Amino acid sequence: NAGVTQTPKFQVLKTGQSMTLQCAQDMNHNSMYWYRQDPGMGLRLIYYSASEGTTDKGEVPNGYNVSRLNKREFSLRLESAAPSQTSVYFCASSEDLSSLAYEQYFGPGTRLTVT
Amino acid sequence: AQTVTQSQPEMSVQEAETVTLSCTYDTSESDYYLFWYKQPPSRQMILVIRQEAYKQQNATENRFSVNFQKAAKSFSLKISDSQLGDAAMYFCAYTLNNDMRFGAGTRLTVKP
Repeated sequence: NAGVTQTPKFQVLKTGQSMTLQCAQDMNHNSMYWYRQDPGMGLRLIYYSASEGTTDKGEVPNGYNVSRLNKREFSLRLESAAPSQTSVYFCASSEDLSSLAYEQYFGPGTRLTVT
Repeated sequence: AQTVTQSQPEMSVQEAETVTLSCTYDTSESDYYLFWYKQPPSRQMILVIRQEAYKQQNATENRFSVNFQKAAKSFSLKISDSQLGDAAMYFCAYTLNNDMRFGAGTRLTVKP
Protein backbone atom coordinates (compact mmCIF):
# COMPACT_ATOMS: atom_id res chain seq x y z
CA ASN A 1 0.00 0.00 0.00
CA ALA A 2 1.26 3.47 -0.89
CA GLY A 3 -0.80 5.16 1.87
CA VAL A 4 -1.42 8.81 1.02
CA THR A 5 0.25 10.17 -2.10
CA GLN A 6 0.48 13.78 -3.25
CA THR A 7 1.52 15.38 -6.51
CA PRO A 8 3.51 17.42 -7.24
CA LYS A 9 6.23 17.43 -4.55
CA PHE A 10 7.41 20.94 -5.48
CA GLN A 11 5.83 23.76 -7.45
CA VAL A 12 6.67 27.37 -8.21
CA LEU A 13 3.87 29.65 -9.40
CA LYS A 14 3.67 33.28 -10.40
CA THR A 15 1.08 35.48 -8.70
CA GLY A 16 -2.29 35.01 -10.37
CA GLN A 17 -1.60 31.58 -11.81
CA SER A 18 -3.82 28.64 -10.92
CA MET A 19 -3.01 25.06 -10.08
CA THR A 20 -4.44 21.92 -8.52
CA LEU A 21 -2.76 19.79 -5.91
CA GLN A 22 -3.68 16.13 -6.17
CA CYS A 23 -4.09 13.69 -3.30
CA ALA A 24 -5.01 10.02 -3.29
CA GLN A 25 -5.24 7.35 -0.59
CA ASP A 26 -5.47 3.61 -0.94
CA MET A 27 -6.56 2.74 2.61
CA ASN A 28 -10.30 2.90 1.90
CA HIS A 29 -10.64 5.82 4.31
CA ASN A 30 -13.84 7.82 4.42
CA SER A 31 -12.42 11.17 5.50
CA MET A 32 -9.76 13.33 3.88
CA TYR A 33 -8.16 16.66 4.76
CA TRP A 34 -5.97 19.44 3.39
CA TYR A 35 -3.59 21.35 5.67
CA ARG A 36 -1.02 24.04 5.19
CA GLN A 37 2.14 24.27 7.26
CA ASP A 38 3.85 27.61 7.77
CA PRO A 39 6.96 28.27 9.87
CA GLY A 40 6.15 28.79 13.53
CA MET A 41 2.45 28.02 13.08
CA GLY A 42 2.09 24.27 12.92
CA LEU A 43 -0.53 22.79 10.60
CA ARG A 44 -3.81 24.54 9.85
CA LEU A 45 -6.82 22.89 8.32
CA ILE A 46 -7.92 24.33 4.98
CA TYR A 47 -10.78 22.02 3.97
CA TYR A 48 -11.93 18.55 4.83
CA SER A 49 -14.23 15.92 3.40
CA ALA A 50 -16.03 13.77 5.94
CA SER A 51 -17.14 11.32 3.27
CA GLU A 52 -17.40 10.98 -0.49
CA GLY A 53 -19.57 13.76 -1.87
CA THR A 54 -19.16 16.18 1.03
CA THR A 55 -16.68 18.96 1.71
CA ASP A 56 -16.46 21.59 4.45
CA LYS A 57 -14.33 24.58 5.33
CA GLY A 58 -11.64 24.37 7.93
CA GLU A 59 -9.74 27.10 9.73
CA VAL A 60 -8.19 28.85 6.68
CA PRO A 61 -10.30 28.20 3.53
CA ASN A 62 -10.02 31.57 1.79
CA GLY A 63 -8.37 31.40 -1.64
CA TYR A 64 -8.87 27.64 -2.00
CA ASN A 65 -11.39 25.22 -3.44
CA VAL A 66 -11.57 21.46 -3.10
CA SER A 67 -13.11 18.52 -4.90
CA ARG A 68 -13.73 15.06 -3.51
CA LEU A 69 -13.54 13.29 -6.82
CA ASN A 70 -14.29 9.85 -5.40
CA LYS A 71 -13.51 7.98 -2.21
CA ARG A 72 -9.79 7.81 -3.04
CA GLU A 73 -9.08 11.32 -4.35
CA PHE A 74 -9.31 14.79 -2.84
CA SER A 75 -7.88 17.73 -4.77
CA LEU A 76 -7.05 21.28 -3.67
CA ARG A 77 -7.24 24.14 -6.18
CA LEU A 78 -5.72 27.59 -6.05
CA GLU A 79 -7.62 29.71 -8.57
CA SER A 80 -5.39 32.78 -8.40
CA ALA A 81 -2.23 32.16 -6.42
CA ALA A 82 -0.91 34.82 -4.04
CA PRO A 83 2.46 35.07 -2.27
CA SER A 84 0.61 34.50 1.04
CA GLN A 85 -0.16 30.99 -0.18
CA THR A 86 3.51 30.06 -0.19
CA SER A 87 3.54 27.10 2.16
CA VAL A 88 3.90 23.35 2.49
CA TYR A 89 0.59 21.59 1.84
CA PHE A 90 -0.29 18.26 3.40
CA CYS A 91 -3.10 15.93 2.53
CA ALA A 92 -4.30 13.45 5.16
CA SER A 93 -6.91 10.77 5.53
CA SER A 94 -8.59 8.90 8.37
CA GLU A 95 -11.05 6.05 8.65
CA ASP A 96 -13.97 8.18 9.72
CA LEU A 97 -14.27 11.77 10.83
CA SER A 98 -17.00 10.87 13.29
CA SER A 99 -14.51 9.08 15.52
CA LEU A 100 -12.15 11.52 17.13
CA ALA A 101 -9.74 8.72 17.95
CA TYR A 102 -8.92 7.81 14.41
CA GLU A 103 -5.37 8.53 13.46
CA GLN A 104 -4.81 10.79 10.48
CA TYR A 105 -2.35 9.47 7.92
CA PHE A 106 -0.40 12.15 6.11
CA GLY A 107 1.05 12.42 2.63
CA PRO A 108 4.64 13.60 2.03
CA GLY A 109 3.62 17.21 1.38
CA THR A 110 3.88 19.67 -1.50
CA ARG A 111 6.18 22.67 -1.20
CA LEU A 112 4.54 25.56 -3.06
CA THR A 113 6.24 28.87 -3.72
CA VAL A 114 4.33 31.80 -5.19
CA THR A 115 6.46 34.63 -6.54
CA ALA B 1 -10.52 30.38 20.08
CA GLN B 2 -9.31 26.88 20.68
CA THR B 3 -5.53 26.78 20.66
CA VAL B 4 -2.59 24.52 21.31
CA THR B 5 0.56 25.99 22.82
CA GLN B 6 3.99 24.44 22.72
CA SER B 7 6.16 26.77 24.76
CA GLN B 8 9.51 25.22 23.78
CA PRO B 9 10.44 26.05 20.16
CA GLU B 10 13.64 23.99 20.52
CA MET B 11 14.87 21.31 22.87
CA SER B 12 18.08 19.34 23.06
CA VAL B 13 18.84 15.99 24.71
CA GLN B 14 21.85 13.76 25.03
CA GLU B 15 21.55 10.32 23.48
CA ALA B 16 20.17 7.77 26.01
CA GLU B 17 18.82 10.54 28.26
CA THR B 18 15.20 11.52 28.90
CA VAL B 19 13.48 14.64 27.61
CA THR B 20 9.99 16.08 28.17
CA LEU B 21 8.18 18.24 25.63
CA SER B 22 5.41 20.50 26.91
CA CYS B 23 1.99 21.16 25.48
CA THR B 24 -1.03 23.03 26.77
CA TYR B 25 -4.37 23.44 25.06
CA ASP B 26 -7.53 25.37 25.50
CA THR B 27 -10.97 23.83 25.13
CA SER B 28 -14.20 23.94 27.06
CA GLU B 29 -15.28 20.50 25.84
CA SER B 30 -15.00 17.35 27.92
CA ASP B 31 -14.55 14.71 25.21
CA TYR B 32 -11.65 14.99 22.84
CA TYR B 33 -8.45 13.24 21.81
CA LEU B 34 -4.88 14.41 22.12
CA PHE B 35 -2.00 13.42 19.86
CA TRP B 36 1.70 13.81 19.49
CA TYR B 37 3.03 13.69 15.92
CA LYS B 38 6.64 13.50 14.85
CA GLN B 39 7.92 15.15 11.67
CA PRO B 40 11.48 14.14 10.72
CA PRO B 41 13.41 16.00 7.99
CA SER B 42 11.62 13.87 5.39
CA ARG B 43 8.50 15.96 6.25
CA GLN B 44 6.40 12.83 6.80
CA MET B 45 4.03 13.25 9.75
CA ILE B 46 4.08 10.17 11.98
CA LEU B 47 1.76 9.49 14.91
CA VAL B 48 3.74 8.94 18.12
CA ILE B 49 1.02 8.54 20.73
CA ARG B 50 -2.63 9.36 21.40
CA GLN B 51 -4.67 9.96 24.57
CA GLU B 52 -8.41 10.01 25.11
CA ALA B 53 -9.48 12.83 27.41
CA TYR B 54 -11.85 10.51 29.29
CA LYS B 55 -9.09 8.12 30.27
CA GLN B 56 -7.15 9.04 33.38
CA GLN B 57 -4.40 6.54 32.70
CA ASN B 58 -1.52 8.06 30.78
CA ALA B 59 -0.81 6.51 27.40
CA THR B 60 2.49 4.74 26.76
CA GLU B 61 4.09 3.50 23.54
CA ASN B 62 7.48 1.88 24.13
CA ARG B 63 9.91 4.73 24.98
CA PHE B 64 7.20 7.39 24.62
CA SER B 65 4.78 8.29 27.37
CA VAL B 66 2.54 11.20 28.21
CA ASN B 67 1.66 13.10 31.34
CA PHE B 68 -1.96 14.12 30.84
CA GLN B 69 -3.32 16.63 33.33
CA LYS B 70 -6.89 17.29 32.25
CA ALA B 71 -7.71 19.98 34.79
CA ALA B 72 -4.57 21.88 33.88
CA LYS B 73 -5.13 21.18 30.16
CA SER B 74 -1.60 19.92 29.88
CA PHE B 75 -0.33 17.06 27.70
CA SER B 76 3.43 16.60 27.85
CA LEU B 77 5.46 13.97 25.99
CA LYS B 78 8.31 12.13 27.67
CA ILE B 79 10.90 10.38 25.52
CA SER B 80 13.08 7.93 27.43
CA ASP B 81 16.41 6.53 26.29
CA SER B 82 16.56 9.09 23.47
CA GLN B 83 17.93 7.88 20.17
CA LEU B 84 19.44 9.75 17.24
CA GLY B 85 16.39 8.80 15.19
CA ASP B 86 14.17 10.74 17.59
CA ALA B 87 15.52 14.02 16.22
CA ALA B 88 12.55 15.75 14.57
CA MET B 89 9.85 18.36 14.95
CA TYR B 90 7.18 17.25 17.42
CA PHE B 91 3.64 18.55 17.17
CA CYS B 92 0.97 18.34 19.82
CA ALA B 93 -2.61 18.27 18.52
CA TYR B 94 -6.16 17.63 19.61
CA THR B 95 -9.32 16.73 17.77
CA LEU B 96 -12.68 18.23 18.53
CA ASN B 97 -15.79 17.84 16.40
CA ASN B 98 -14.57 18.07 12.81
CA ASP B 99 -11.28 19.73 13.47
CA MET B 100 -7.73 18.89 14.44
CA ARG B 101 -5.72 21.75 15.93
CA PHE B 102 -1.92 21.66 16.02
CA GLY B 103 0.64 23.48 18.09
CA ALA B 104 3.54 25.32 16.45
CA GLY B 105 5.94 22.46 17.18
CA THR B 106 9.11 21.77 19.14
CA ARG B 107 12.33 20.97 17.33
CA LEU B 108 14.18 18.21 19.17
CA THR B 109 17.91 17.75 18.68
CA VAL B 110 19.60 14.57 19.92
CA LYS B 111 23.31 14.86 20.69
CA PRO B 112 25.50 11.77 20.32
